[in-house]
Amino acid sequence: ELKVEQNPLFLSMQEGKNYTIYCNYSTTSDRLYWYRQDPGKSLESLFVLLSNGAVKQEGRLMASLDTKARLSTLHITAAVHDLSATYFCAVDAETSGSRLTFGEGTQLTVNP
Amino acid sequence: EAGVVQSPRYKIIEKKQPVAFWCNPISGHNTLYWYRQNLGQGPELLIRYENEEAVDDSQLPKDRFSAERLKGVDSTLKIQPAELGDSAVYLCASEGQTYEQYFGPGTRLTVT
Repeated sequence: ELKVEQNPLFLSMQEGKNYTIYCNYSTTSDRLYWYRQDPGKSLESLFVLLSNGAVKQEGRLMASLDTKARLSTLHITAAVHDLSATYFCAVDAETSGSRLTFGEGTQLTVNP
Repeated sequence: EAGVVQSPRYKIIEKKQPVAFWCNPISGHNTLYWYRQNLGQGPELLIRYENEEAVDDSQLPKDRFSAERLKGVDSTLKIQPAELGDSAVYLCASEGQTYEQYFGPGTRLTVT
């Protein structure tokens, strides 16, 4: 059974600081996704990572994928309050029937 | 381009009552998913459709849950009878050719 683990689960940081959220998964993956969810809202797609070494950046967020280590990172640069949300990684693996398996989510709070 | 549409947005019912959720995916998206998201957790897949065929329903509690996607477009998810533990947000997502899943706003179900 595919397992996806994120850490930390809760992150409180100050504006202007940098931090990294980690996503580990237990089996070979075809694709890895990062989503953002604001309270009471649905999930917004941030990144889709399709291959080893893939790196994508959008604004203050940068995601990378290391398929050999089964690890993805979401790096936050110079955080601002608007980034406060819950961030999920999700893994699509053939061994799980091409079913998207989500991590528990990282609840990020950026304080002024 | 219109996004994934779901209705109702909120539903409160008493246990043992039936309930139905409706989803209209993004035009042209052949793949449709239903997820359940419990508070503080990531979404969990209930069922996946390719056009009108349910290709993965292994995690759908078939004793009380049913789904259909007639004509391969809109889909309905039904619970009958509802139990207290069914309280959650039910998310519909659709996917086109880019491997990205686009989520609807969800239906928040409260069973009392």
